[in-house]
Amino acid sequence: IAGITQAPTSQILAAGRRMTLRCTQDMRHNAMYWYRQDLGLGLRLIHYSNTAGTTGKGEVPDGYSVSRANTDDFPLTLASAVPSQTSVYFCASSHRDSNEQFFGPGTRLTVL
Amino acid sequence: GENVEQHPSTLSVQEGDSAVIKCTYSDSASNYFPWYKQELGKRPQLIIDIRSNVGEKKDQRIAVTLNKTAKHFSLHITETQPEDSAVYFCAARDPRAGGTSYGKLTFGQGTILTVHP
Repeated sequence: IAGITQAPTSQILAAGRRMTLRCTQDMRHNAMYWYRQDLGLGLRLIHYSNTAGTTGKGEVPDGYSVSRANTDDFPLTLASAVPSQTSVYFCASSHRDSNEQFFGPGTRLTVL
Repeated sequence: GENVEQHPSTLSVQEGDSAVIKCTYSDSASNYFPWYKQELGKRPQLIIDIRSNVGEKKDQRIAVTLNKTAKHFSLHITETQPEDSAVYFCAARDPRAGGTSYGKLTFGQGTILTVHP
């Protein structure tokens, strides 16, 4: 692994189903973030984690949960997907000594 | 919380012209302002950033200016090229948010820049 990766690349999901989006980074970054990107709304923060074992709510956390069991992984779970969660999801990470956030390649999620 | 407004939403220029994208922010405590470029189907990537103790920063054909009093900052691209065509996002960081020194970013809505050959 080099950098930050996400899986799956894309997914079509029936409403009401549970889904976990995976994010892994090998840069030993302290902080990790989940954003959703919708046309005309830019990138909106869903949840974040400043360090392993801690998480926090972003701008649009409802319907999503996260965990940070270790430094490298930051999964995002939709417990019961709804059509309004159709979006492109980006994971990002940053080091405590740097302001720059590095983004993963994104997951395109469609909820029908 | 922080609110970032970005204008224009679309910008079309001829190759060689300059392009300017403007953002305003609401929270005077914000101290870091990055600009990201996102090509079609790709991930956002940082192109330039500025801290609140600096008024201007340049990197080859791109520059960012910051007016703390007015709470606005701008991206300037000179001698535009077709490969500059992309969506550009501004962001502001409130250092108090998140309970750590690196805080959280609030993004603008994005500007679709098209450079015509």
